[in-house]
Amino acid sequence: AQSVTQPDIHITVSEGASLELRCNYSYGATPYLFWYVQSPGQGLQLLLKYFSGDTLVQGIKGFEAEFKRSQSSFNLRKPSVHWSDAAEYFCAVSGGYNKLIFGAGTRLAVHP
Amino acid sequence: EPEVTQTPSHQVTQMGQEVILRCVPISNHLYFYWYRQILGQKVEFLVSFYNNEISEKSEIFDDQFSVERPDGSNFTLKIRSTKLEDSAMYFCASSEGGASTPLHFGNGTRLTVT
Repeated sequence: AQSVTQPDIHITVSEGASLELRCNYSYGATPYLFWYVQSPGQGLQLLLKYFSGDTLVQGIKGFEAEFKRSQSSFNLRKPSVHWSDAAEYFCAVSGGYNKLIFGAGTRLAVHP
Repeated sequence: EPEVTQTPSHQVTQMGQEVILRCVPISNHLYFYWYRQILGQKVEFLVSFYNNEISEKSEIFDDQFSVERPDGSNFTLKIRSTKLEDSAMYFCASSEGGASTPLHFGNGTRLTVT
């Protein structure tokens, strides 16, 4: 069965520091992978997606993610975090008919 | 940029009452979805809808739930007789196509069942 694991429930970083949020997936075929961000009281905004091709994908707000098939991972990175990046981040895999299977999310806090 | 809109933003209802959550998907999108997020838990798929019929539904989507596209613009989720455990944030989403196109989500309706 398809599943997504985000091992880190809560991460705190200092503003300006680099960030890596981990995501591991389980999926039988080549996955379609996504990262979404949810700010408090807001909906889910797409940060980036991977379908095929270059395994390093660029997204909005300076985020990038790298697909590693051998590790079944799709980690999200940002070289320098801004206070406005504080939010909850969800990794997801598409499981047919665009049914997204989400991870439990990682809540990011940013210290000034 | 076009967006998915949901109304109301917050709905409070008594247990056993019927609620209808409303969504206006992006106009040229063909696939429509409902997801829910119980407080503190992960976002869960409820149902997908294409060509005026349900294409897939989860085990959560039992006979108490129904979806409808009553006209060319709205997409609704009805819960016939609400239970306390239906309290959650409900997200509507739409996409242009199938698995290779991203979903666009609305801001959600927070449903509180008392």
